[in-house]
Amino acid sequence: QQQVKQSPQSLIVQKGGISIINCAYENTAFDYFPWYQQFPGKGPALLIAIRPDVSEKKEGRFTISFNKSAKQFSLHIMDSQPGDSATYFCAARRAAGNKLTFGGGTRVLVKP
Amino acid sequence: NAGVTQTPKFQVLKTGQSMTLQCAQDMNHNSMYWYRQDPGMGLRLIYYSASEGTTDKGEVPNGYNVSRLNKREFSLRLESAAPSQTSVYFCASSDRGGNEQFFGPGTRLTVL
Repeated sequence: QQQVKQSPQSLIVQKGGISIINCAYENTAFDYFPWYQQFPGKGPALLIAIRPDVSEKKEGRFTISFNKSAKQFSLHIMDSQPGDSATYFCAARRAAGNKLTFGGGTRVLVKP
Repeated sequence: NAGVTQTPKFQVLKTGQSMTLQCAQDMNHNSMYWYRQDPGMGLRLIYYSASEGTTDKGEVPNGYNVSRLNKREFSLRLESAAPSQTSVYFCASSDRGGNEQFFGPGTRLTVL
């Protein structure tokens, strides 16, 4: 049973467009929601993260939107660039613990 | 700083063979993790070690054993490899707060 569901599995966007990836969770004990970015042949790396007391967090072209009542959060990549082509994973962590539960991943391809 | 290093990068095993995946980190982190990554499944936690001398099962521990050799090193052993263990394996580490996990480059394992 996947506790964090991520969609879509893949998406193609034109350069300059907006990429949107959605995640939904079930466990209300989660208190930290990071997004990881993974390039082919590399390990994932932290991109941006949010806590449930905040509805939005922006870092450069990357924005997380968080809806606590709906138990959903999403990643928006504004002005998408070919260098953003990667696999993106959402994740969630329970309070008082270090373990992360990951979504299934979204492969993003930005066409020039 | 090398960060998190893993050896080997690639390995092919026959069913029933054993092997140990090695992981080391030079960031003085307390917590270390082993994940497997399969298409569409995201990253699933196999085992983790909250601190030196402790290990705990994650989501998919069957068929694996781990050893936290010291604060720097955390190894993953497959005693009798099965084709279902064909995957990419990632080691990660984090500090005691655990907000960010740092991942190694991965080991691609094929079991024939």
